[in-house]
Amino acid sequence: AQSVAQPEDQVNVAEGNPLTVKCTYSVSGNPYLFWYVQYPNRGLQFLLKYITGDNLVKGSYGFEAEFNKSQTSFHLKKPSALVSDSALYFCAGYSGYSTLTFGKGTMLLVSP
Amino acid sequence: SQTIHQWPATLVQPVGSPLSLECTVEGTSNPNLYWYRQAAGRGLQLLFYSVGIGQISSEVPQNLSASRPQDRQFILSSKKLLLSDSGFYLCAWSVLAGAYEQYFGPGTRLTVT
Repeated sequence: AQSVAQPEDQVNVAEGNPLTVKCTYSVSGNPYLFWYVQYPNRGLQFLLKYITGDNLVKGSYGFEAEFNKSQTSFHLKKPSALVSDSALYFCAGYSGYSTLTFGKGTMLLVSP
Repeated sequence: SQTIHQWPATLVQPVGSPLSLECTVEGTSNPNLYWYRQAAGRGLQLLFYSVGIGQISSEVPQNLSASRPQDRQFILSSKKLLLSDSGFYLCAWSVLAGAYEQYFGPGTRLTVT
């Protein structure tokens, strides 16, 4: 079985600064990892995924994520944060059955 | 392109009343379908998933049930709501099971009073 962990409940960053939202995973075998974003009272939106290949995955809205096998991490990054990036971010992983396992979420707050 | 619809958007129901939430997907065939609940705060709890018509897998035993009467229709039901059923209900679909991204609907906010 696979699990994902998001160690930070909240991340604060100033607009224009780089941002990182952390995710670590635990899995036996090849990991399949995803990032989603949720704006208030909305459904989740898919940002990007890692299946295999390049460790740096590029996704929507300028986000990217770096897969690090030795550290079992899949951190979400963006070079320059926008106030509109403020939202709830979920890391998810394939659980080995037919479903995804989601982390508990990290609230990103970008201040002007 | 594919779209996913959920209705109603918001619902206020008394304890003990029945529930029916509907989810439909357009633009794809034989999707995998999922129901999640998001309690106040943030965590997502998978309730049910379906890989085909009439095929339902339950992840959490409770007073909710799900049905898939048509290929692109997924219904979440309850005969008698509890206060603890309050939450944000999300439907999602994916092309296949496993290592494929899921696409979420706009959600239904349910308040049980």
